[in-house]
Amino acid sequence: GENVEQHPSTLSVQEGDSAVIKCTYSDSASNYFPWYKQELGKGPQLIIDIRSNVGEKKDQRIAVTLNKTAKHFSLHITETQPEDSAVYFCAANSGVEGNKLVFGAGTILRVKS
Amino acid sequence: KAGVTQTPRYLIKTRGQQVTLSCSPISGHRSVSWYQQTPGQGLQFLFEYFSETQRNKGNFPGRFSGRQFSNSRSEMNVSTLELGDSALYLCASSPGANTGELFFGEGSRLTVL
Repeated sequence: GENVEQHPSTLSVQEGDSAVIKCTYSDSASNYFPWYKQELGKGPQLIIDIRSNVGEKKDQRIAVTLNKTAKHFSLHITETQPEDSAVYFCAANSGVEGNKLVFGAGTILRVKS
Repeated sequence: KAGVTQTPRYLIKTRGQQVTLSCSPISGHRSVSWYQQTPGQGLQFLFEYFSETQRNKGNFPGRFSGRQFSNSRSEMNVSTLELGDSALYLCASSPGANTGELFFGEGSRLTVL
C-alpha cells in the first residue's frame, strides 16, 4: 500500500524566514497531494493541495511543488509569521477508489519572533 | 456553511466498555471518513462511507465499526475498549466520490482508563 514519509519532524525558523517541508510517496498511482495544518486542540485544516497534472501551485505565502518522477512533493512557506506555528501534515491519496488519504508523520513548525 | 461537527468532544471510558461517536458532515457532502490520531502512530485511516456504503477499510480490528445514515451523518463504534484505544478520533467529509479533498472536524478525544 501507499507509504508517505515526511521530513523534518521539527523545524524552527526565525520570523520572516522561509520554511520547507518535504515528503516522498511510494504509490505511483497516487495523483492527489494535500497539505494540512493542525493547531493545538483542533482538527487538521486543508491549506493547499496539488494534483498530478501540475508541477507547482501557489496561494499567497504558501506554495507546493510536485515531482512525479522522483515521487516527492514539498511545502514552501515564505515570510513566516508566529501564527504559522503548528503541525503540518502531507498526504497522498491511496490510488484506489474513494477518498482515502495516507498521511506523513507530521512536522512541528516553530516560528520564533 | 457549517463545518464538520463531531460529538462528543471529550469522553472518558473504562476498559471493556463500548463507545459511539457521531459525525455530521458538511451539508451536501456524501462521503465521510474516520481517522484515529495518536502521538505514536499519527493519523491512521479507519474507514470511509459513501451513500451509506463502506467503501474502504483500514487495518483495524473488528471492534471498530461504523455506519452512515441516509442523511450522510455517520457514527463509529468501538467495543470492548482497550487502553490503546485512547486517541483523537477525527471525522472528515468530502464533496465528491473520488476527489480526495477531506474537511476535518475538531475530533472526539477518547480516554480509556
